Amino acid sequence: LAKTTQPISMDSYEGQEVNITCSHNNIATNDYITWYQQFPSQGPRFIIQGYKTKVTNEVASLFIPADRKSSTLSLPRVSLSDTAVYYCLVGEKDSNYQLIWGAGTKLIIKP
Amino acid sequence: KAGVTQTPRYLIKTRGQQVTLSCSPISGHRSVSWYQQTPGQGLQFLFEYFSETQRNKGNFPGRFSGRQFSNSRSEMNVSTLELGDSALYLCASSLTSSGSPYNEQFFGPGTRLTVL
Repeated sequence: LAKTTQPISMDSYEGQEVNITCSHNNIATNDYITWYQQFPSQGPRFIIQGYKTKVTNEVASLFIPADRKSSTLSLPRVSLSDTAVYYCLVGEKDSNYQLIWGAGTKLIIKP
Repeated sequence: KAGVTQTPRYLIKTRGQQVTLSCSPISGHRSVSWYQQTPGQGLQFLFEYFSETQRNKGNFPGRFSGRQFSNSRSEMNVSTLELGDSALYLCASSLTSSGSPYNEQFFGPGTRLTVL
């Protein structure tokens, strides 16, 4: 299983673009990069997943460089409601490996 | 489509008691996973069920057990409760057969268990 490293916390302001980078130096060929978002006292919510280059959906973009040893979750024009913990997971789709969730990145958006 | 539901949402028990938590997955989802979340340990995987069979298990003592019914609903049981079992217990369901969070998992709101 590829281990991931993320910043423990980040601050930003409403209307800004926020980029959260995740390092995964030992990512394997079949591994995908998946991001979840968790609000206090709620379960995590799947945000985005990618394998290489760039993936975009209605809430975020995921940038993955060619070596895939890191990835960046980009949240455009954040609002106060984007204050949450963001988890980066790296692993093989359809794998039954026991998952280890890191501490995630606590993102605080200020007015 | 209704999301993952968990009951009860809040529970207070005393040490030594046992507790049963319930999870109803999204209709059509056959994989159900359980997690424990605490401020100190974060999200920890308990076990995963698919078609009434436990396929994967985390590193928790035998006091933690679960089962899944033919309608994919799942229950987890914790016996002989300890103070350290106080946590948010989350259930997640998945449409894919792997039950892995590397495929999209849908989480419920959790059951907040307090052990006194």
